[in-house]
Amino acid sequence: EAQVTQNPRYLITVTGKKLTVTCSQNMNHEYMSWYRQDPGLGLRQIYYSMNVEVTDKGDVPEGYKVSRKEKRNFPLILESPSPNQTSLYFCASSSAGQAFDEQFFGPGTRLTVL
Amino acid sequence: AQRVTQPEKLLSVFKGAPVELKCNYSYSGSPELFWYVQYSRQRLQLLLRHISRESIKGFTADLNKGETSFHLKKPFAQEEDSAMYYCALSGQAGTALIFGKGTTLSVSS
Repeated sequence: EAQVTQNPRYLITVTGKKLTVTCSQNMNHEYMSWYRQDPGLGLRQIYYSMNVEVTDKGDVPEGYKVSRKEKRNFPLILESPSPNQTSLYFCASSSAGQAFDEQFFGPGTRLTVL
Repeated sequence: AQRVTQPEKLLSVFKGAPVELKCNYSYSGSPELFWYVQYSRQRLQLLLRHISRESIKGFTADLNKGETSFHLKKPFAQEEDSAMYYCALSGQAGTALIFGKGTTLSVSS
């Protein structure tokens, strides 16, 4: 089944403890992106990648890192999480390396930083 | 600056009533506009995009460049339309998708 998967789905951690949220797609999509969803703020883009080894900042990149070593994977790394990074995170991918192609979203990862 | 504004956080209507979810945008070029929908306990998914000019689940949206709007409309709301709706914009570079804050549509019988 064509899909975007994220792991873990739920995570509770403490301030400063490094964590990685994985994202994988099996549709051979070039474009991948990370968003965070917060009440009253909607979805905001954190980072995106147009292709392997090509990443760029979105609207809210502070406190996050990403890497794109393989086409299918786009992990989100929080080196030193803080409580203001408590949020619902979505990974998405689309074909042809463009944001305006239909984006397919993962199920979301709910992160709580204590 | 690119911006998408959805002025209503919540829109409540009765089944069978017309629905209009408002979306206004700010962009200095020719953007691509989309509506994404998130049903309860489901993933965010594309509902429709202006370039395809199609009607999905009875919903339509017309891009009005003069008013910089892309309102989503349906003549007769159904209970299964209850969901969170996001308007989104992508610029010509195609690098980023800018979302509005979303409108929750609640359809009751």
